[in-house]
Amino acid sequence: EAGVTQFPSHSVIEKGQTVTLRCDPISGHDNLYWYRRVMGKEIKFLLHFVKESKQDESGMPNNRFLAERTGGTYSTLKVQPAELEDSGVYFCASSHSHRGYTFGSGTRLTVV
Amino acid sequence: AQSVTQLDSQVPVFEEAPVELRCNYSSSVSVYLFWYVQYPNQGLQLLLKYLSGSTLVKGINGFEAEFNKSQTSFHLRKPSVHISDTAEYFCAVTSNNNAGNMLTFGGGTRLMVKP
Repeated sequence: EAGVTQFPSHSVIEKGQTVTLRCDPISGHDNLYWYRRVMGKEIKFLLHFVKESKQDESGMPNNRFLAERTGGTYSTLKVQPAELEDSGVYFCASSHSHRGYTFGSGTRLTVV
Repeated sequence: AQSVTQLDSQVPVFEEAPVELRCNYSSSVSVYLFWYVQYPNQGLQLLLKYLSGSTLVKGINGFEAEFNKSQTSFHLRKPSVHISDTAEYFCAVTSNNNAGNMLTFGGGTRLMVKP
């Protein structure tokens, strides 16, 4: 089966611009998660979708971040406007249950 | 709330030597435990997981980990490392009270295998 796909793999944008990250989960996985690792820090949870609904968005840093999951399939994470501190690696993961989380390769975002 | 502490940020070791990467967790509920590995320029790959049953868990690439409930630890071990094991390793925990919970990660341990 295909894994979790994220794109772009890298993105370099200027402060104030908008960036949209996309995640395609494994087909049939109702749970989709976004995580972020800022340089030198631990991987932090951002939010969790169950199908198209936001189950938990307690990790979203502020209202510059907007996540959507169209029709319970792929998800997008938009940062608008981007700030320097948003730089990091954004990971997406999907799961059918707690027994198996599969991660994508991540999107490395650099805000300059 | 849960937390995970990986006591060593970097572990240098010579090839063919044994290695232990330490992980301690804190949780008010019962947990499932995971180790992930990130090779350079790649995503997170599951090494092994503890859900229930035997406390000694074997994973891929010759790694194993032991769940110790009394010490709230889940240390990762390999008896003989290879250069190709050079990577960053993450311990993670989630509560086992229902499906779909988020993972809480430790800060990562960078394993550097030297020839």
